Amino acid sequence: GAGVSQSPSNKVTEKGKDVELRCDPISGHTALYWYRQSLGQGLEFLIYFQGNSAPDKSGLPSDRFSAERTGGSVSTLTIQRTQQEDSAVYLCASSRTGTGQETQYFGPGTRLLVL
Amino acid sequence: QKEVEQDPGPLSVPEGAIVSLNCTYSNSAFQYFMWYRQYSRKGPELLMYTYSSGNKEDGRFTAQVDKSSKYISLFIRDSQPSDSATYLCAMSPSSNTGKLIFGQGTTLQVKP
Repeated sequence: GAGVSQSPSNKVTEKGKDVELRCDPISGHTALYWYRQSLGQGLEFLIYFQGNSAPDKSGLPSDRFSAERTGGSVSTLTIQRTQQEDSAVYLCASSRTGTGQETQYFGPGTRLLVL
Repeated sequence: QKEVEQDPGPLSVPEGAIVSLNCTYSNSAFQYFMWYRQYSRKGPELLMYTYSSGNKEDGRFTAQVDKSSKYISLFIRDSQPSDSATYLCAMSPSSNTGKLIFGQGTTLQVKP
């Protein structure tokens, strides 16, 4: 596609429910990243995929958070038993090969509100 | 203490002003330094990229990196209302991974 797309754009859920957030990276990009942006905060790294593997999961805040990537393309971030502190904008980015000097292209984000 | 510190502002300037945005960092392993611009309800987009110390200029934008002081800056000349956005500094410690460490972001408003 022309850019990184994410769905849904907005998600409102009740505390304790599970949510799935989807990311479609730019075609051909092998590296995919998930970040979280809380109100008034910068972006916080969550997880990095190289192909279908996740060599760096160090940013996942708890075991309620998991992510997978299939076919080297689409990725899903799952949050189980959501808490109010999970409310944030979840941003996905992709880059061509995943080196430090590459441009990361971001999607518009999914705005998650946990009531 | 955060690895990357950035004054969140907000910063309000008149059109045509020179804007200076800054970040400090604590990790001497950072090698790649970027500035991203984020408009309201949009994803960040890369504005400037610098490797190691030095200056880089692109039109009205100049990025500076001083590794000895662990300090980076972004200057915007002849600021325009369209420059109103949040500016995020970002750094990467390695060429082997694109994991970025971001500052909090500075919100800039340029008034006509």
